[in-house]
Amino acid sequence: GAVVSQHPSRVICKSGTSVKIECRSLDFQATTMFWYRQFPKKSLMLMATSNEGSKATYEQGVEKDKFLINHASLTLSTLTVTSAHPEDSSFYICSARDQASGNYNEQFFGPGTRLTVL
Amino acid sequence: GENVEQHPSTLSVQEGDSAVIKCTYSDSASNYFPWYKQELGKRPQLIIDIRSNVGEKKDQRIAVTLNKTAKHFSLHITETQPEDSAVYFCAAEGQWQAGTALIFGKGTTLSVSS
Repeated sequence: GAVVSQHPSRVICKSGTSVKIECRSLDFQATTMFWYRQFPKKSLMLMATSNEGSKATYEQGVEKDKFLINHASLTLSTLTVTSAHPEDSSFYICSARDQASGNYNEQFFGPGTRLTVL
Repeated sequence: GENVEQHPSTLSVQEGDSAVIKCTYSDSASNYFPWYKQELGKRPQLIIDIRSNVGEKKDQRIAVTLNKTAKHFSLHITETQPEDSAVYFCAAEGQWQAGTALIFGKGTTLSVSS
């Protein structure tokens, strides 16, 4: 299946700093990528849909200015957590669809980024 | 918008037994229903999926059934093995404010003891 990578896998930062997370589709082009957030022992909650060449569409309750998303190419989307605070500590997972595949609905997930804000 | 309910939240079975996890969805327009397995700290892995034009799909020990009228779908794992222990999420493709995307159930922690 299609492969999605995420970098970094783990990051620890001080409160007030910004953290950038990269999501790449390695062997396919993804016009749409998705960013999810997962708290311990909880489900995945959609944060935003990232569209190549246009602004991201955010889910209700997700602050656009705090979680900046850029999808500058067909293989890369970035999520920047600005002025991070301890409550932003979470597992962030991206996913992408390979629209050229036979199963156009299937989403391929990245390995996730564990963010810890001190 | 779409809402997905998943039961049970935890499930413990003996090796070799069957495990069944059930989900219901609210949006009759949803037409894609995947099941994901997630091990601790890892990415969700698709194990099986079904579309609304199909009632049942099987892949070796795993099967999924879909009842469109009742808006529920179930995951069946037969001859469970300890390596099946993980958290399983059902999902339905539906409408979020952020667009068409997967809406996940709350997950079922499956424990298979040998």
